[in-house]
Amino acid sequence: QKEVEQNSGPLSVPEGAIASLNCTYSDRGSQSFFWYRQYSGKSPELIMSIYSNGDKEDGRFTAQLNKASQYVSLLIRDSQPSDSATYLCAVINQAGTALIFGKGTTLSVSS
Amino acid sequence: GAVVSQHPSWVICKSGTSVKIECRSLDFQATTMFWYRQFPKQSLMLMATSNEGSKATYEQGVEKDKFLINHASLTLSTLTVTSAHPEDSSFYICSARARLAGGYNEQFFGPGTRLTVL
Repeated sequence: QKEVEQNSGPLSVPEGAIASLNCTYSDRGSQSFFWYRQYSGKSPELIMSIYSNGDKEDGRFTAQLNKASQYVSLLIRDSQPSDSATYLCAVINQAGTALIFGKGTTLSVSS
Repeated sequence: GAVVSQHPSWVICKSGTSVKIECRSLDFQATTMFWYRQFPKQSLMLMATSNEGSKATYEQGVEKDKFLINHASLTLSTLTVTSAHPEDSSFYICSARARLAGGYNEQFFGPGTRLTVL
């Protein structure tokens, strides 16, 4: 079983809409969760980190965590064409020593 | 914010040569750095975890004699691809762990090094 799973997409939304990105993880003991954005040919950029159940908001981004369901999501409000990228969900591994990444979801925002 | 640099940004080399990639944390000390590899349209794959002053821990399937990692200081880690071959052509990305207020750790990534082996 893969440790971090994401729908590869592409997820297409019109400009101004809400984009919803989902991620599930297999290690119930995981405590730290991250969303990274990666533009083509570039390295990942940290967008959000979340450590406790519930919602965490930062500007247009909201991360949601449900540890019971082993589910973490990222909502992007008022999506812009510049948000078009691959979004990577990442979880600290069992040893607490490294990030394990999902394969990423490609988001396309059309103007 | 925490800044991580990598050098070089891209490199082209002949098959059989060795290539060294540097990773530096510019405004923080990183006791742990990580090396990832990413092939086109695939996710990042962790190659090894590098702790300052000790030997790197390699992930299963990664040849430690081929990918030499040195973490000589709290701000510098190097990855040397020895006897590179075309199948080693990839995007190599390092990241450094920063300890934040509240005790949480976050990883910040360098800009990556694109290696092409002819």
